[in-house]
Amino acid sequence: DIQMTQSPSTLSASVGDRVTITCRASQSISRGLAWYQQKPGKAPKLLIYKASSLESGVPSRFSGSGSGTEFTLTISSLQPDDFATYYCQQYNTYYTFGQGTKLEIK
Amino acid sequence: EVQLVESGGGLVQPGGSLRLSCAASGFTFSAYSMNWVRQAPGKGLEWVSYISSSSTTMRYADSVRGRITISRDDARNSLYLQMNSLRDEDTAVYYCARGLGQWLARLDFWGQGTLVTVSS
Repeated sequence: DIQMTQSPSTLSASVGDRVTITCRASQSISRGLAWYQQKPGKAPKLLIYKASSLESGVPSRFSGSGSGTEFTLTISSLQPDDFATYYCQQYNTYYTFGQGTKLEIK
Repeated sequence: EVQLVESGGGLVQPGGSLRLSCAASGFTFSAYSMNWVRQAPGKGLEWVSYISSSSTTMRYADSVRGRITISRDDARNSLYLQMNSLRDEDTAVYYCARGLGQWLARLDFWGQGTLVTVSS
């Protein structure tokens, strides 16, 4: 099974900050990676797919990069609506999610 | 507007059964693969099951294989999850999610979830 490890588990930041979340796969997944945002009590929302493609309707301050085993999600300038939990997901071999990164207001 | 609405969750005793439903609207349901993903209270996301658009292929996570059956009724625009021999560790919010493509596709739209609680 492919394991996905996100870091950090919790991230404290302020509005306007640039933040980066990292996701590592236990083996190569090529570019089969997606990023989701989830707010409390709500369904996950797709942000990025194929490692770096922005889902329609998602603000351009979100970007993704990486391939193989190392991936990043970057938010260029945090907005109040961005404080949430973020999950990476590999879809190269079955589906596996990372454990999540909670983005908190500093 | 794409909508996925899950139902059928509730409290069930260990060893019991439950059938979850997901009603789809706003898109051509028969053209899309579908998935179930669950989230235990305060925990992360876990993929559970997949069904292709033609119902020819179903896949299951190891944690549920043999106890859970996924199915769909394209005439009713509905997805189902039959859950048997339920365990405490099956307690979770269950989401249905649309696959944009067939197997190993991104999950582009999710329902709001239905809570399953397994407890005596």
